[in-house]
Amino acid sequence: NAGVTQTPKFQVLKTGQSMTLQCAQDMNHNSMYWYRQDPGMGLRLIYYSASEGTTDKGEVPNGYNVSRLNKREFSLRLESAAPSQTSVYFCASRSRLAGNNEQFFGPGTRLTVL
Amino acid sequence: AQSVTQLGSHVSVSEGALVLLRCNYSSSVPPYLFWYVQYPNQGLQLLLKYTSAATLVKGINGFEAEFKKSETSFHLTKPSAHMSDAAEYFCAVSTSGGSNYKLTFGKGTLLTVNP
Repeated sequence: NAGVTQTPKFQVLKTGQSMTLQCAQDMNHNSMYWYRQDPGMGLRLIYYSASEGTTDKGEVPNGYNVSRLNKREFSLRLESAAPSQTSVYFCASRSRLAGNNEQFFGPGTRLTVL
Repeated sequence: AQSVTQLGSHVSVSEGALVLLRCNYSSSVPPYLFWYVQYPNQGLQLLLKYTSAATLVKGINGFEAEFKKSETSFHLTKPSAHMSDAAEYFCAVSTSGGSNYKLTFGKGTLLTVNP
């Protein structure tokens, strides 16, 4: 099992450009999450998908959109990138089996917006 | 609403010394609590979790944490630090419950281990 995979690993954008961050999991998990990590801020939830076909806003959704393409894949889109979106982005997934509350994280995407 | 406070953004210890990383939480319902570790340029890895079973939880790499409801704390300890423990550590809280399950993370504590 690869677990949670993210592409790309690194990306540099110019202000106003758009891009999509890809995330996939092979653990048959129902729920998936997108976080951003900034120095001294911990991880903040951008969007999440409790199950296939549903998405909800997290703590910092402005400037982002998401798509839960199928059970495996959850993408994050920046329509018009801004320097404030320079960050490390992590995708995570979680099983909804009873008592199983752990989230599994991908390796991250480092995004720089110039 | 739930929240997590990690006291000390940076902790420095000598190799072989006790490691103590502090975490206090706020939750209106019985929480699930987690400690994650992040090594440089990597994702987060679960160290241990509390899910209302034993209050003393043992995790990987010799770490453990004790849930103290009266103090709303879940501090992480390790008796003897190793150089390989140098990393950033995150405490997280979640309330149980269905489709809206989410984790709230603390801001992290960077652990430095000196030789």
